[in-house]
Amino acid sequence: QSALTQPASVSGSPGQSITISCSGTSSDVGGYNYVSWYQQHPGKVPKLVIYDVTDRPSGVPDRFSGSKSGNTASLTISGLQAEDEADYYCSSYTRSSTMVFGGGTKLTVL
Amino acid sequence: EVHLVESGGGLVQSGGSVRLSCAASGFTFSSAWMSWVRQAPGKGLEWVASIKPDGSATYSVDSVKGRFTISRDNAKNSLYLQLNSLRVEDTALYYCAGNRTRFLYWGQGTLVTVSS
Repeated sequence: QSALTQPASVSGSPGQSITISCSGTSSDVGGYNYVSWYQQHPGKVPKLVIYDVTDRPSGVPDRFSGSKSGNTASLTISGLQAEDEADYYCSSYTRSSTMVFGGGTKLTVL
Repeated sequence: EVHLVESGGGLVQSGGSVRLSCAASGFTFSSAWMSWVRQAPGKGLEWVASIKPDGSATYSVDSVKGRFTISRDNAKNSLYLQLNSLRVEDTALYYCAGNRTRFLYWGQGTLVTVSS
């Protein structure tokens, strides 16, 4: 049950697009379309922004999009805004019927 | 509106036990997979355990197997996590979360601090 691999930090300027990667194996990310992404502001509860690789919960702006290629999933945020600055976590269902999170990525809006 | 309210956290000595509860409302609890997710201070999220809607199957992360037990009472719309043989590294904010493969609903969390 190793954690998924995410970059520790990414940054971008307002209006730009950024992509956060989430690398796993064929036993988790690559084997199932059950990848989710969470946004967490400091001191706040995590918020689901993408589920099932590409789907957005109601109320999440379409600036947030998800994709997957092989064992790597990605979260793209376009038209970056100041309020997007937060920690982002990916998660995946695994072959062992468990769940696993990534280590988290700190997004800084310059 | 969905509400998940955790309780039961506190300060406990290493080797001790504590039982966390999560009161759910605003959705059909008896039809929902439920999970516990924890976050150590200043660290990332870690999935702890999940339980099937009827309670007939449970799954947990290897590091808590044999020590933590997830359970539920659908008549009381409540989820539980029994934590035994606690270790300092179990210190974390424990969140109750709705669903299994996607955590759409979260409680505010209850803090468990394990002292040595």
